[in-house]
Order: sequence, then structure tokens, then C-alpha cells
Amino acid sequence: DVKVTQSSRYLVKRTGEKVFLECVQDMDHENMFWYRQDPGLGLRLIYFSYDVKMKEKGDIPEGYSVSREKKERFSLILESASTNQTSMYLCASEGAANTGELFFGEGSRLTVL
Amino acid sequence: QKEVEQNSGPLSVPEGAIASLNCTYSDRGSQSFFWYRQYSGKSPELIMFIYSNGDKEDGRFTAQLNKASQYVSLLIRDSQPSDSATYLCAVNEGEYGNKLVFGAGTILRVKS
Repeated sequence: DVKVTQSSRYLVKRTGEKVFLECVQDMDHENMFWYRQDPGLGLRLIYFSYDVKMKEKGDIPEGYSVSREKKERFSLILESASTNQTSMYLCASEGAANTGELFFGEGSRLTVL
Repeated sequence: QKEVEQNSGPLSVPEGAIASLNCTYSDRGSQSFFWYRQYSGKSPELIMFIYSNGDKEDGRFTAQLNKASQYVSLLIRDSQPSDSATYLCAVNEGEYGNKLVFGAGTILRVKS
């Protein structure tokens, strides 16, 4: 079974703090994604990566950055957390041959006070 | 901004009935269409995908695609209480791989 592991399930941070969300997949997938999920808005793509050290902006990249130093690990960074970044963050990796089959981690619920 | 629209629901159906979930999308260039199911407190999981106009059946699930009308639907036959979840429609965009745009989801409740 594909396993996508997000390091933190629940985080509470203060405005202005730097936040790291880490994601590791164990299936040697090329493509990895970070989404945020908010009620009524669905999943919105923040950043994605098709290879090590490669990143592309998604639809809402402002206030976020990413790092992919190793194929299995894709990190999302909030340089200076703000209250409007309170959300559920979902990492996903994509199965082979661009199937569109995303395997999601269990999510990281971030609250910024 | 490409858009994927779904009725938020909740859609309530009795056990054993057919549940019909609908989705429209704005990008005529989209080629791949997906339905994900998300149980409360859990992550989404892929249940169906469809690339060509017409119907695609997998067990109790049927995906229907009409590119001319920019419309995708998911039918669930013999609905069970275990089908109660949020169903997310997703459409691809982008030159590489499958960058997906998701709808906000339809909540389905199957009453026993």
C-alpha cells in the first residue's frame, strides 16, 4: 500500500512564526502536491513538484514556499504564519503514468493564533 | 482561474436508491475527470476516473462525461449508509502530469 505520511496532525502556532509541514511518501513517486482544504472552498493547490529540487506554483502560493531535496520528501514552509493560513493542509503524491490518482496523507490541521 | 462547480448538498437518499452527483467545469481543454470520496475526518481517495464521453461503470459506481456540456456526473446504485461521505469532483489542467482542480464537494447522506 502507498503510504504518505505527514509529520504533524495538529499544530498551533502564533502569528509571525515560521512553520514547517513535512510529507514523506514511500512509493518512489515523481509528483508531489500540497493542497489546503477549507470549508466551502474545497482543495486548493498551493505548490507541486515533479522532481527533486523542482517546484511549480499552484493556485494560491502566496505566503508559502516548498522544498524538495529528496524524492520522497516534500516540505511546505510558512515563512511568517498569519491567521488566514489556519486550515487543513493535505500532501499528496501521484501514482505512475500521470494517472491523476493522488494518494493523500492524513492531513495537518494548522491553527494560527 | 479554472473552476469546478458542485452542489454542496447535503444530498439525502434512502438506502438502496440511486444517488446522482453532478459537476460542471469551466475549462474546455480539460481531458481527465476524477471523483474522489472523502469520509468525515479522513483524506480523499480516488474512486473513479473518466477520460472519454459517455459512461464508465465500476461496480455500483458509474461516471458519466459530456464534454460538449462540460458536465460530469457520478451515479451510485444501491446506495448504502457506508456511501455517506463528501464526493469531490476534480478536473485536470496544466501541461505536465495531472494538476487537478477540485470542486468544493457534495455531501451525500444515505439513510437506512
